[in-house]
Amino acid sequence: AQKITQTQPGMFVQEKEAVTLDCTYDTSDPSYGLFWYKQPSSGEMIFLIYQGSYDQQNATEGRYSLNFQKARKSANLVISASQLGDSAMYFCAMRESGGSTLGRLYFGRGTQLTVWP
Amino acid sequence: EAQVTQNPRYLITVTGKKLTVTCSQNMNHEYMSWYRQDPGLGLRQIYYSMNVEVTDKGDVPEGYKVSRKEKRNFPLILESPSPNQTSLYFCASSLSLGLSNTIYFGEGSWLTVV
Repeated sequence: AQKITQTQPGMFVQEKEAVTLDCTYDTSDPSYGLFWYKQPSSGEMIFLIYQGSYDQQNATEGRYSLNFQKARKSANLVISASQLGDSAMYFCAMRESGGSTLGRLYFGRGTQLTVWP
Repeated sequence: EAQVTQNPRYLITVTGKKLTVTCSQNMNHEYMSWYRQDPGLGLRQIYYSMNVEVTDKGDVPEGYKVSRKEKRNFPLILESPSPNQTSLYFCASSLSLGLSNTIYFGEGSWLTVV
């Protein structure tokens, strides 16, 4: 079974609008971390935001916020006021705290976001 | 500046010709790992290392070797590359296994095996 599922291969949003990128995860570990990365066409992986499984509040970083719904195992990324430079591939990832997967980052297949003027 | 440096960034090689992709970090990180990225599959872990002389397999280790003789370096070795190893490769490091530790990625190495 996939650890991270991103169901939207592609998303389109108009500049200045908000957009939500979906991510669901699967783990039996009570302690884990959730990450979002941005990958522009140049290829580098840019860290956007982190949410710990025990964090009470949703994480926010500037225009990025993470809508964390633990019971639903959902960690959606919300980008407010989209900009043309937000066009990129976005990956959701998870790190578990123990067991044989110690330290490993599990990635989803990504969502290609296109922002149009 | 904190960084993970990979070399080469771009390489076209032939089947069977051994190659090494180097990775170096300047942050004294304990944990280092290699990922490959293929279209539609996201990133998958190849190998990881929790410290010097401690390495272990990730999800897709076949066809690869690694070593960790020094804390800062974690080279990826393809002893006999094949076309199915054509991919974008990332080296990553973090201070430790702490969940909130920032994970730093190198800029990626585009490898084509013909």
